[in-house]
Amino acid sequence: DAKTTQPPSMDCAEGRAANLPCNHSTISGNEYVYWYRQIHSQGPQYIIHGLKNNETNEMASLIITEDRKSSTLILPHATLRDTAVYYCIVKDFGNEKLTFGTGTRLTIIP
Amino acid sequence: EAQVTQNPRYLITVTGKKLTVTCSQNMNHEYMSWYRQDPGLGLRQIYYSMNVEVTDKGDVPEGYKVSRKEKRNFPLILESPSPNQTSLYFCASGRDYEQYFGPGTRLTVT
Repeated sequence: DAKTTQPPSMDCAEGRAANLPCNHSTISGNEYVYWYRQIHSQGPQYIIHGLKNNETNEMASLIITEDRKSSTLILPHATLRDTAVYYCIVKDFGNEKLTFGTGTRLTIIP
Repeated sequence: EAQVTQNPRYLITVTGKKLTVTCSQNMNHEYMSWYRQDPGLGLRQIYYSMNVEVTDKGDVPEGYKVSRKEKRNFPLILESPSPNQTSLYFCASGRDYEQYFGPGTRLTVT
């Protein structure tokens, strides 16, 4: 699986859009980009995934660059409950194993 | 409600006293796995199971055993716990793109 690079921490004002970047320059053609988050010491929670097209669901949007070497997770209207560590993971769709890096600690500021 | 349950949630034990952490899922997932989380080391996979009676080692399997006799259950067994197994443990199950994590078991071995 390709490795990812994320900033260790970010702050965002409540109500604003939180944009979390991820670099995955060695991603291969059959690898997807997945985002999970972990709130305090709870179990990680799936957010969204994508291959090359932008994706949106009820939680977030995922923007993947055309060369697929980086992506951005967007939380459109951040709330205090979005304070968490966000993990960007790349892996084959059929490979169930998740390899977690250190993620980005996002703090939403009131 | 779709969920992964773990028991116990908290456990303090002594070196060498065998223990089992149970994990159960109600989503009929074939894939289940165990992770441990330690400060500075992130989440690391211990063991995983692709289906009933099919288990395999993850990244840090030493000192652990698992079994998969039924699809819904995937217990983690520590036959002779040691202090370096003090950690936060998560069970997960999943299919396709999404994995569900349990609430975690905080284990302290003295």
